[in-house]
Amino acid sequence: EAQVTQNPRYLITVTGKKLTVTCSQNMNHEYMSWYRQDPGLGLRQIYYSMNVEVTDKGDVPEGYKVSRKEKRNFPLILESPSPNQTSLYFCATGVSANYGYTFGSGTRLTVV
Amino acid sequence: GQQVMQIPQYQHVQEGEDFTTYCNSSTTLSNIQWYKQRPGGHPVFLIQLVKSGEVKKQKRLTFQFGEAKKNSSLHITATQTTDVGTYFCAGRAAAGNKLTFGGGTRVLVKP
Repeated sequence: EAQVTQNPRYLITVTGKKLTVTCSQNMNHEYMSWYRQDPGLGLRQIYYSMNVEVTDKGDVPEGYKVSRKEKRNFPLILESPSPNQTSLYFCATGVSANYGYTFGSGTRLTVV
Repeated sequence: GQQVMQIPQYQHVQEGEDFTTYCNSSTTLSNIQWYKQRPGGHPVFLIQLVKSGEVKKQKRLTFQFGEAKKNSSLHITATQTTDVGTYFCAGRAAAGNKLTFGGGTRVLVKP
């Protein structure tokens, strides 16, 4: 079954404690991206990757890091989380950047 | 930078009635996509429009891309409770690969 798997689904952490949200896809998609969703602000892109070892900043990259060492995985890293990073995060993948995306189920992160 | 605005932000619809949600871009788009997000769920891709003036239908949903490729609309006929959710448009700039999402229209259906 084609899917995009995000882990964890829910996470409560404390300010400054490094964390990683994982995203894995089994569709051999080249394009992967991270979004955060906040009430009234829609979906804002954090980082995206056009292919392995190719990553670029989206609209709100500050405080986040990503890596794309292999095609199927695109982890989102928060080196020193802060409360303003409390949000709902979605990983999205696509055959390429120019087609519709498949979203993961989301990770609800709370930073206290 | 590119901005994509959706109106209305909220839409209360009586079951069985029609409604339309609109999407407007500050720049010319190469294509536009529509997604639906059910409450508590994740966005699900519905459709992509590419050509100026293009109209596509999916059962009770009609999607339209404006002639100037700066706006789009989603019209739903005979609304059902299964239509509840937030509908997002996402516009891709004519130059580059950037996809910008609108703020969404949250649809609530009154039985």
